[in-house]
Amino acid sequence: GENVEQHPSTLSVQEGDSAVIKCTYSDSASNYFPWYKQELGKRPQLIIDIRSNVGEKKDQRIAVTLNKTAKHFSLHITETQPEDSAVYFCAPRANQAGTALIFGKGTTLSVSS
Amino acid sequence: NAGVTQTPKFQVLKTGQSMTLQCAQDMNHEYMSWYRQDPGMGLRLIHYSVGAGITDQGEVPNGYNVSRSTTEDFPLRLLSAAPSQTSVYFCASRLNGGTEAFFGQGTRLTVV
Repeated sequence: GENVEQHPSTLSVQEGDSAVIKCTYSDSASNYFPWYKQELGKRPQLIIDIRSNVGEKKDQRIAVTLNKTAKHFSLHITETQPEDSAVYFCAPRANQAGTALIFGKGTTLSVSS
Repeated sequence: NAGVTQTPKFQVLKTGQSMTLQCAQDMNHEYMSWYRQDPGMGLRLIHYSVGAGITDQGEVPNGYNVSRSTTEDFPLRLLSAAPSQTSVYFCASRLNGGTEAFFGQGTRLTVV
């Protein structure tokens, strides 16, 4: 099965700084790479994802980059704002029927103003 | 379209009691799963199902049972609650060949 690791486990930045969270995985069959955001007391929600035929994807201040050879992908948040404070989870997997959804242990991002 | 609905939102059990956490989705998703979330441990997969009549164990299945008699419902049963099962439980669903997983609002369970 998939072995997923996230680093760092906690990250504190000043408002306006950039933040980068890295996710490494073990299953070479993985071809779908999402990031979920969970605000305090709420449910996780998908914020951005990438497929293995794409190296980078951007959506306003967030981006995801993929290095399939090294088996890792990263979440980049630029110009951080206090509302970016949350726990972020990666969940790489082979995008086929029957594949269990396994999450990394999460990264707690704190943005101070 | 309600999405994924979990009940109850909060529950306190005594050690040894049994209960069922309910999860229902109205999106015709084949895949449904249960997670527990503990501080510093992320979201750990308990059981999952890829369709009615099919269930499989996840990372931490001990102490929990599931069944999937319909596409819409995926209840999680605690047969004899233990304090170690104190946690926040999330149900999630997605299309089998799909991408985004949708989560319920969570159930905060305390076992005393």
